[in-house]
Amino acid sequence: NAGVTQTPKFQVLKTGQSMTLQCAQDMNHNSMYWYRQDPGMGLRLIYYSASEGTTDKGEVPNGYNVSRLNKREFSLRLESAAPSQTSVYFCASGHEPWQPQHFGDGTRLSIL
Amino acid sequence: GQQLNQSPQSMFIQEGEDVSMNCTSSSIFNTWLWYKQEPGEGPVLLIALYKAGELTSNGRLTAQFGITRKDSFLNISASIPSDVGIYFCAGVSGTYKYIFGTGTRLKVLA
Repeated sequence: NAGVTQTPKFQVLKTGQSMTLQCAQDMNHNSMYWYRQDPGMGLRLIYYSASEGTTDKGEVPNGYNVSRLNKREFSLRLESAAPSQTSVYFCASGHEPWQPQHFGDGTRLSIL
Repeated sequence: GQQLNQSPQSMFIQEGEDVSMNCTSSSIFNTWLWYKQEPGEGPVLLIALYKAGELTSNGRLTAQFGITRKDSFLNISASIPSDVGIYFCAGVSGTYKYIFGTGTRLKVLA
């Protein structure tokens, strides 16, 4: 019973490098989300996909792009990584936008 | 960005004690959720509340949706060492946007 699976779990990048974080869910959920978690800031929404084929910006979208590849998969891309993007990134999914979200275990990303 | 005020930020308690924490906002929410996060893991849903005044329990956990729709409360009774973690509230608006609190870090002393 995998739920929401994120890869990789850890990554170190140099400033300017690009990287794609992968997320897949096996719960047949329509909605998927990307958050970042920083100390003392709680979880902040980067992008979301209310349903397959749609994506929308969240609170902190600058420096990121997303792709809803199919119903199961939602990827997050950093085109030119910056130290300010050092964070823990969580993917989440939910049946519908108004229903509770279920989270993966996160990707810990450090940018030097 | 908009965030919820969650308090306390952290607390140390003795095993067996009851714990209370709350979230407040200047905005109205349609749904309140409570999550627990342990080190190295993602948040796990504990309780979901859908109506003002609703009181819902999950084992030793009880949460309430405030009457004003601007706040929510979580109580843990008879705490045990495995209750250690960070507890987050989340309010869901009418446009289905989630707003998360900054978390309450709970440490239980055996």
